[in-house]
Amino acid sequence: GDSVTQTEGLVTLTEGLPVMLNCTYQSTYSPFLFWYVQHLNEAPKLLLKSFTDNKRPEHQGFHATLHKSSSSFHLQKSSAQLSDSALYYCALSPLIASSSFSKLVFGQGTSLSVVP
Amino acid sequence: NAGVIQTPRHKVTGKGQEATLWCEPISGHSAVFWYRQTIVQGLEFLTYFRNQAPIDDSGMPKERFSAQMPNQSHSTLKIQSTQPQDSAVYLCASSLDWWGEAEQFFGPGTRLTVL
Repeated sequence: GDSVTQTEGLVTLTEGLPVMLNCTYQSTYSPFLFWYVQHLNEAPKLLLKSFTDNKRPEHQGFHATLHKSSSSFHLQKSSAQLSDSALYYCALSPLIASSSFSKLVFGQGTSLSVVP
Repeated sequence: NAGVIQTPRHKVTGKGQEATLWCEPISGHSAVFWYRQTIVQGLEFLTYFRNQAPIDDSGMPKERFSAQMPNQSHSTLKIQSTQPQDSAVYLCASSLDWWGEAEQFFGPGTRLTVL
């Protein structure tokens, strides 16, 4: 079946240092990949999603590259800010044959804490 | 645009009681999803409607959970005979399109506590 693995449950970084959150996935076909961010007491919101044409999506300084060969979609940012502290979920939308279904399969989530 | 609306925001029930959670999707969105969020399991898919029709309920515990979408403006998730393990935040999301790359917009969630 389809699954997403985020190996880090908690990442603590000093402000200004680079961010990298890991995400690997398993899927029968080539799924769409997403990163959702959830700040404390807020709803999850889309941060960025993979493109079908291998463009690298970027948003709010974050970027991620889909590597089909390694089934990875790691999230990166060059310099962490205090406001980046949140829960980050990697998710996939399974692709079945020629159809794409919208349900999201989420990883366990990585809590990012940025400290001064 | 008010976003996805969920009511109530908090619900406390006793073990064995019924809980009904409400969701109003963003107007014009054709797909509605229900997810459950717990610290242990993270975000889990429950069920999904497309143009009000149930499409996939593979994540729903079959015996006590049911979901409906009687019209395009609201969906309900009903849990019968609630158990302590049902305690979670239940999130509703909607998307403009059912296509897999469509962004899902999440509501604030209903925090269900079963005593």
